[in-house]
Amino acid sequence: GAVVSQHPSRVICKSGTSVKIECRSLDFQATTMFWYRQFPKQSLMLMATSNEGSKATYEQGVEKDKFLINHASLTLSTLTVTSAHPEDSSFYICSARARTGLRSDTEAFFGQGTRLTVV
Amino acid sequence: LAKTTQPISMDSYEGQEVNITCSHNNIATNDYITWYQQFPSQGPRFIIQGYKTKVTNEVASLFIPADRKSSTLSLPRVSLSDTAVYYCLVGDINTGGFKTIFGAGTRLFVKA
Repeated sequence: GAVVSQHPSRVICKSGTSVKIECRSLDFQATTMFWYRQFPKQSLMLMATSNEGSKATYEQGVEKDKFLINHASLTLSTLTVTSAHPEDSSFYICSARARTGLRSDTEAFFGQGTRLTVV
Repeated sequence: LAKTTQPISMDSYEGQEVNITCSHNNIATNDYITWYQQFPSQGPRFIIQGYKTKVTNEVASLFIPADRKSSTLSLPRVSLSDTAVYYCLVGDINTGGFKTIFGAGTRLFVKA
């Protein structure tokens, strides 16, 4: 199946600093990418939808100035957690959907996730 | 987006067949049903997708009744490695920007 790579897999940062997480579709072009946050023992919470070449659409309650999303190309989207605080510590997951018309368009492919710990 | 309801948790033993049912009473005409599996500290993995009747692949079967208000994921002969959280999602896959919204999921625990 299609592969989505997320980097880094783990990151520890100091409170007040910014962290960038990359999400790459390795063998297909992703017109749409999604970013999720997941706390322990909870389900994935959709944060934002990222479309290549346009501004991301954020879900209610998600601060766009706090979580900067850039979908710079058809294979790369980045999430930057700005001025991170301990409460931002979580598991962040991206997913990507392919261009319409491809077989893989019927499903979303997920990255392996990034464990962010803010100390 | 159609809301989904699944059992919070299920227990099973190795070698048994496991059926997880998902209710989606408000499913729309263009909505598909997709199931994902997630292990701890990993991203979800696609299991199976269907629109109606029955779909089978190498890992699971998906049963969808005629009214499509529910669906059942069937895992044949589970093993310990099938212990995971299983999510049922419903949505129009052909809509640009189709959101993959996750419900609470079902935590399956397979015992030896």
